[in-house]
Parts: sequence; C-alpha cells; structure tokens
Amino acid sequence: DIQMTQSPSSLSASVGDRVTITCRASRSISNFLNWYQQKPGKAPKVLISAASSLQSGVPSRFSGSGSGTNFTLTISSLQPEDFATYSCQQTYTTPWTFGQGTKVEFK
Amino acid sequence: QVQLVQSGAAVKKPGASLKVSCKASGYSFTSHAIHWVRQAPGQRLEWMGWINAGDTKTTYSHKFQGRVTLTRDTSARTAYMELRSLRSEDTAVYYCARTARQLVGDHYCYYMDVWGKGTTVTVSS
Repeated sequence: DIQMTQSPSSLSASVGDRVTITCRASRSISNFLNWYQQKPGKAPKVLISAASSLQSGVPSRFSGSGSGTNFTLTISSLQPEDFATYSCQQTYTTPWTFGQGTKVEFK
Repeated sequence: QVQLVQSGAAVKKPGASLKVSCKASGYSFTSHAIHWVRQAPGQRLEWMGWINAGDTKTTYSHKFQGRVTLTRDTSARTAYMELRSLRSEDTAVYYCARTARQLVGDHYCYYMDVWGKGTTVTVSS
C-alpha cells in the first residue's frame, strides 16, 4: 500500500497567516493527489483534486502543488472558517490511502 | 441538490454484522461509483472499497476483503455496505461518497465530491 505522511500533524496559526501543509507519498503517485477539509463531526469536503485543481466554490486562497511524491496545500490568508483538519488522499492505485491529517488550530 | 443520505447510528455486539445504506438523490445514480470510507475515533480516514452503481463492479481494500460486501439497488437509488464479524476495532463513523473524476493527461484522477453525513457504528459487548 502507498503510505501518505503529512507534516505537521497540527499547527497553530492566526487569522491572516499563510499556512503550508505538506504531504509525502511512499512512492510516486504522479499528481493523483486530492486534498480534503474536515470540521469536527462533519464529513470531509474536497478542496483540490489532481494536486492543483481548485474545486468549484472553494475560495482562491486555497492552492495545491506538487507531483511525484511531494505535495503542498497552501492557505494564503487564513480565515476563521478555515480552522479544521486537512487530509491528503492518493487515488493513484487501490487501496486509496489518506494522510493522517493536519489539524489547524487557533493560536 | 445532489445528496447522499445514510442510515442511522447502530450499536452492534462483537461477531455481529452491520449493513449501512446510502440513498442518492439529485443525480444519475448509475453514472457514478459509490465509495465507502470509515474513520475510527482519532484516526485517519480509511478507504474500504467502491461499487460501480452502473454495472455493480466492486473493488475492496485487501484489509476488508472477505468481510465486506458492497451492493446497490438502482430502483431504490441506494448503495449498501455490509460488514461482517464485527470487532471493537470496527467502531467508527462510516461514510459513503460519490466519485468524480478529472482527466489528467491520458488518465483520470478520481476524487470524492459528495459525501454522506456519516453513520456512527459502535461495536461493544
């Protein structure tokens, strides 16, 4: 199975901060990498597909980059509604696997 | 609007079976696969498998192979996930999710674009 590892596992930030989350795959997954946002008690919501394609309705402050084994999710200016857990997912091969999540908390 | 409505919470004893339903509305049911993902308390999301709602083809994670069965009823626009021989480690929130895809070069990148709200399952004696 392809292992997905995110860093950091948690971070504290303030409104307006630039936040960067990284995701590393245990082997190359081309750009078959998606990012999800999850709030407590809620289902995940897709933000970015194929490493860098912003989903419809997702604010432009979110962006994704990377290919191969290293990927990044960036929030350019953190907003109050962005405090949540972010998870990467590879869909290069089954079983599809997720990162352990990065919890973005209020500083 | 497009939505997936899941069945309610369940409490099961070890060794029992579980069947969760996922009713789709607002789109062509047979045009999208349905995936099942679970999340144990404090753990990462875990993909269990998917069913092509059009031709019923299934793919399961090897972790659950032999213990899980995915089915669908097109007339009811509903997908089902059955998990057998339950153990305490199966305590989790179970989600169904619709698949979407994006062309990347010569291949499709799949992702889950619509999710159910989740079904909480507790396995306890």
